[in-house]
Amino acid sequence: SQKIEQNSEALNIQEGKTATLTCNYTNYSPAYLQWYRQDPGRGPVFLLLIRENEKEKRKERLKVTFDTTLKQSLFHITASQPADSATYLCALSRRALTFGSGTRLQVQP
Amino acid sequence: ETGVTQTPRHLVMGMTNKKSLKCEQHLGHNAMYWYKQSAKKPLELMFVYSLEERVENNSVPSRFSPECPNSSHLFLHLHTLQPEDSALYLCASSQEYTGTGDSTDTQYFGPGTRLTVL
Repeated sequence: SQKIEQNSEALNIQEGKTATLTCNYTNYSPAYLQWYRQDPGRGPVFLLLIRENEKEKRKERLKVTFDTTLKQSLFHITASQPADSATYLCALSRRALTFGSGTRLQVQP
Repeated sequence: ETGVTQTPRHLVMGMTNKKSLKCEQHLGHNAMYWYKQSAKKPLELMFVYSLEERVENNSVPSRFSPECPNSSHLFLHLHTLQPEDSALYLCASSQEYTGTGDSTDTQYFGPGTRLTVL
């Protein structure tokens, strides 16, 4: 079955820096990949979807890349702010979603 | 009220109790989902309903019993649970469930029910 991994359990960065989160997948080549944000005690909130024929997608300070050769997606937050602190989840869009375990981002002021 | 709501937000129950979790979506979606989220583990898909019909049951123990009386409401009935069932239970909805192949469908989640089994 398809497997999706987010290598870093936690990432700490300084305010104003760019945060980069990694998502790798195996045993499958998805046509789409999604990113969600989850705050403590809350449900995930959809952020971005990227298609396999899109190398890059942007939304305000967010940028997602999709490398089908490396089987990897990168999620970037530029000019990070303490309010960006949350857990970020990637998910394969196949039938129902298959989620990674998430990366907890902490932005220090 | 908009989006996806879940009640109760917190639930403590003994192993012999019977309780139910409720989910309601106000988005006009046709698909609804139950997920389990345990500490430091990925979200685990439990059940999928499409147009009120159960279309996926991911090897979930029979002590969890879902019910979808209409496309806006989803229940998860709980009985004789184990302490390892303690987790955050999340409900989600989406426009459609494609069943096969990849999809651009995004999911809208409720706030979850934090369940503790004593």
